[in-house]
Amino acid sequence: SAVISQKPSRDICQRGTSLTIQCQVDSQVTMMFWYRQQPGQSLTLIATANQGSEATYESGFVIDKFPISRPNLTFSTLTVSNMSPEDSSIYLCSVDSRLAGVTDTQYFGPGTRLTVL
Amino acid sequence: EDQVTQSPEALRLQEGESSSLNCSYTVSGLRGLFWYRQDPGKGPEFLFTLYSAGEEKEKERLKATLTKKESFLHITAPKPEDSATYLCAVQGSSNTGKLIFGQGTTLQVKP
Repeated sequence: SAVISQKPSRDICQRGTSLTIQCQVDSQVTMMFWYRQQPGQSLTLIATANQGSEATYESGFVIDKFPISRPNLTFSTLTVSNMSPEDSSIYLCSVDSRLAGVTDTQYFGPGTRLTVL
Repeated sequence: EDQVTQSPEALRLQEGESSSLNCSYTVSGLRGLFWYRQDPGKGPEFLFTLYSAGEEKEKERLKATLTKKESFLHITAPKPEDSATYLCAVQGSSNTGKLIFGQGTTLQVKP
């Protein structure tokens, strides 16, 4: 299985500021994803981070609010821009391990717990 | 629209009391159904992937089964360390990798 790390693990931010979350994988993977888990809720996909091209966003999420980078096959960042208290959530990075020969299994990072005041 | 519904929302068991968690799904072309365990403050931990009706997978006290409309996670003789939220997710045939998650079942096993 892939080992995924995220930085920071948690942060408390002021309204109107931005936070960049990093996701690092210990092996090359084809697909990387960013999910949001709001308090007491399940996971919702924000976008797919595509290597070498623009991210693919789900309905309700836009690039200006959640810009994503994917410079290589092991690393991605998600920025939460112009934050409001409604952005308080856990943000999770996941990877599809199909490049490693095991298809369609997704592994998740430990998450970044964001609180916006 | 792809949809996943898990029941019950919460389940309290005594240690050793076996039970099952349900995951009902609607998806256009099932590519895979996933079970995860999530402990408070942590990311989901992968448990199983099921691909076709009739498939079963086991891991320690857990056994996952799949039909054309639902999946069950059977917990045999649970222990307190099995306490967690269990998440079910489906991936459709679009091959985008997107997972649709249910709301989860929070399991508490008392000693």
